[in-house]
Amino acid sequence: QVQLKESGPGLVQPSQTLSLTCTVSGLSLTSNSVSWIRQPPGKGLEWMGVIWSNGGTDYNSAIKSRLSISRDTSKSQVFLKMNSLQTEDTAMYFCARIDGRYWGQGVMVTVSS
Amino acid sequence: DVVMTQTPVSLPVSLGGQASISCRSSQSLVHSNGNTYLHWYLQKPGQSPQLLIYRVSNRFSGVPDRFSGSGSGTDFTLKISRVEPEDLGDYYCLQSTHFPFTFGSGTKLEIK
Repeated sequence: QVQLKESGPGLVQPSQTLSLTCTVSGLSLTSNSVSWIRQPPGKGLEWMGVIWSNGGTDYNSAIKSRLSISRDTSKSQVFLKMNSLQTEDTAMYFCARIDGRYWGQGVMVTVSS
Repeated sequence: DVVMTQTPVSLPVSLGGQASISCRSSQSLVHSNGNTYLHWYLQKPGQSPQLLIYRVSNRFSGVPDRFSGSGSGTDFTLKISRVEPEDLGDYYCLQSTHFPFTFGSGTKLEIK
């Protein structure tokens, strides 16, 4: 059974760095690619970036300068780090397999002092 | 970036009726490999998005045949026939032909 689960702090202060983890079970990261997607409250979906099965990455150009996606294949975990957070980064953050067939439940992140 | 223009924003429908959602892209979604990477998702309240249709017209496993996708190039449509209560929520199109991948702005399907 394939599962993805996001985890991380619910509250981050402005200008700080967000660190999220996506823990995957039921599939191997060396043969599956994982995306991060976010959704501000009451708004639509924004694709953030992907880490490919070969370890390469691609990012949304709008946030590329602030975003880093990495992984630990031995732990079946994918990591998202985004720096210089602002209030507009408040959102639900999802990880999903690249083909969209499997999604995590999401983790809500609020940027506030 | 490819802009996905999704209409309508809100779609009131009667149960048992039919719904149609349009998604238009600012450039062709035909990949150099010949495939068209346009997909449709439904997000029910408080849930993660769920895949309905992939690559224009392929229903994902378990998706009822009341859902159908069509289109080509820059113009795509999702149709839902015999709308049921479980179909209510926000629908999004997604293109994954060009980087960065981009979503449409969403259509809220609600009861008339």
